[in-house]
Order: sequence, then C-alpha cells, then structure tokens
Amino acid sequence: ETVLTQSPATLSLSPGERATLSCRASQSVSSYLAWYQQKPGQAPRLLIYDASNRATGVPARFSGSGSGTDFTLAISSLEPEDFAVYYCQQRSDWPRTFGQGTNVEIK
Amino acid sequence: EEQVLESGGGLVQPGGSLRLSCAASGFTFNNRAMTWVRQAPGRGLEWVSTISGSGDTTFYADSVKGRFTISRDNSKNTLYLQMYSLRAEDTAVYYCARGGHRSFFDAWGQGTLVTVSS
Repeated sequence: ETVLTQSPATLSLSPGERATLSCRASQSVSSYLAWYQQKPGQAPRLLIYDASNRATGVPARFSGSGSGTDFTLAISSLEPEDFAVYYCQQRSDWPRTFGQGTNVEIK
Repeated sequence: EEQVLESGGGLVQPGGSLRLSCAASGFTFNNRAMTWVRQAPGRGLEWVSTISGSGDTTFYADSVKGRFTISRDNSKNTLYLQMYSLRAEDTAVYYCARGGHRSFFDAWGQGTLVTVSS
C-alpha cells in the first residue's frame, strides 16, 4: 500500500499570503497524484490531477508540482474561499490512498 | 450538468445490511469507472471500492472486502454499494465519485450518511 504523508497538518495564514502544502509518498507514484479541496459540510472537489494539471474551473492561483515521491500544492495568494482542508491522493496502485489532509486556516 | 446523487443512507444496527445508490446524469455513464469514498465523522477520506465502466472489474479496500459489493446498472445510470455485516467503524458519510480506475475523482455527490449503532 502506498502511504501518503501530508505536511503540515495545519497551516495558519492570512488572506493574500502564499500557501505551500506537501505530500510525500512511501513509494514512487510517478505523476499519478491529485489534490482535492474540501470545505466543511461539502464534498471534496478535484483541484489538480496528474501532479500539475488544473481541473476545469480551478483558478490559476492553484498550482501543483512534483513527481515520484514528493509533491507540492501551492496557492499563490490566499483568497477567503481557499481556507479549507486539502487532500492528496494517488492512483498509481491499489488500494487508492489519500493523505491525512492539511487544514489551511485563517491566522 | 454532470451530476451524481447518492441515496440510501440511514441508521442500521451492527451486523445489519444497507444498500446505497448513486444516480448519475449529464455524462456517458458506461464510459466511466465509478467509486465509493467514505469519511468517518471528523476524519479524512478513505477509498472504499471502484468498478470499471463495463462493470466487469471491481476493486475493494481490505477493510470492506468480503462484506461490501459494488455494482452498477448501466441501463439505469446507477451505481450501487451493498453493505453487509456492518460495524460501528463503517459509520461515515459515503460519497459516490466519478472515476478511480484510469482517472481521478472528478465529480462527487453530496454524500449520504450511514450510521451503525444499536
């Protein structure tokens, strides 16, 4: 099983600041990694797929990078609606696995 | 509009059974794998099961293997999750999501809550 470890668990930032979230895989997942955003009481939403491709309708301030075992989600300038929990997920092998999430909260 | 909508959640006693449904619309259902993902209260996301577009290939998490069965009816654009021998640790919001086999989860339902308790 590929274990995904996200850091930090919580990121406290102010609107307008840059956010950098990390996801590390226990073995290579090539570029088969996605990022999801989840707000309280809502379903997750796909943001980034195949490590660096923005999903339809996702603002350009979101960007993904990395390959192999180390991945990053960056939000260039936080908007009020970006405060949420972010999960990474791999589809390189079975079982599909998610990271434990990073909570981006308002400082 | 591409949409998936779950139903069938509720309160069930330990050892009981429940069937979840997910109605899809706005896309060619039989072209896409479908997946169930769950989220226990206050916890993260857990992949449960995926079925291919044709329905001939299925995958399960070890935590549900032998107790849950995923299936689909492409004539009705509907995905199912039959759950048997339910345990307290199966309590969660269950999400239906499009994709999971050769793609990521690019459309999600609003979720249906399953509570296993006596």
